[in-house]
Amino acid sequence: SQTIHQWPATLVQPVGSPLSLECTVEGTSNPNLYWYRQAAGRGLQLLFYSVGIGQISSEVPQNLSASRPQDRQFILSSKKLLLSDSGFYLCAWRGPGQYNSPLHFGNGTRLTVT
Amino acid sequence: EDQVTQSPEALRLQEGESSSLNCSYTVSGLRGLFWYRQDPGKGPEFLFTLYSAGEEKEKERLKATLTKKESFLHITAPKPEDSATYLCAVRPGGATNKLIFGTGTLLAVQP
Repeated sequence: SQTIHQWPATLVQPVGSPLSLECTVEGTSNPNLYWYRQAAGRGLQLLFYSVGIGQISSEVPQNLSASRPQDRQFILSSKKLLLSDSGFYLCAWRGPGQYNSPLHFGNGTRLTVT
Repeated sequence: EDQVTQSPEALRLQEGESSSLNCSYTVSGLRGLFWYRQDPGKGPEFLFTLYSAGEEKEKERLKATLTKKESFLHITAPKPEDSATYLCAVRPGGATNKLIFGTGTLLAVQP
């Protein structure tokens, strides 16, 4: 069966520091991978998605970037964090080409920028 | 503009008191509507997918229905363990990699 791992679970970082959040998927090949952010009282916001190694699509211009160095690894990064980057970051996957299938989420990273 | 609205924002029920959660949507060419359950501090857990008006799906005490403008998540005789935030998401036509999420309904079931 497929599983998705995200780490760390929680993170407190000062403004201006770098960020690296990692997500890996097991039990599937060539998944579509997604990064979402969930802010209190707001719906999940799609940040980035990837349909293959090195292929990244950005949905919202911001202080963040994403990379996919391996088939089942997705990384969310920032060079300098802003207070507004605080939130709950969720990684999700879906099988390749299965556009009408649901997304499956990891357990998220709670990021607090101080 | 594609939009998803969930109501109520919060709902408190007594154990055994049935109710419904609403998800209304405005999208161009619905390709799928998804219900998720989210526990505090966790990622959303997939519950149901509905594709066309009139479709219904059931799982234990939950039943999801779909019309051309909205979906309902009916909870029959809820238990305290059903307490969670329930999220609705839609996939618009032509947007193969985009899900639009509502802000969710926070359900609390008291024993």
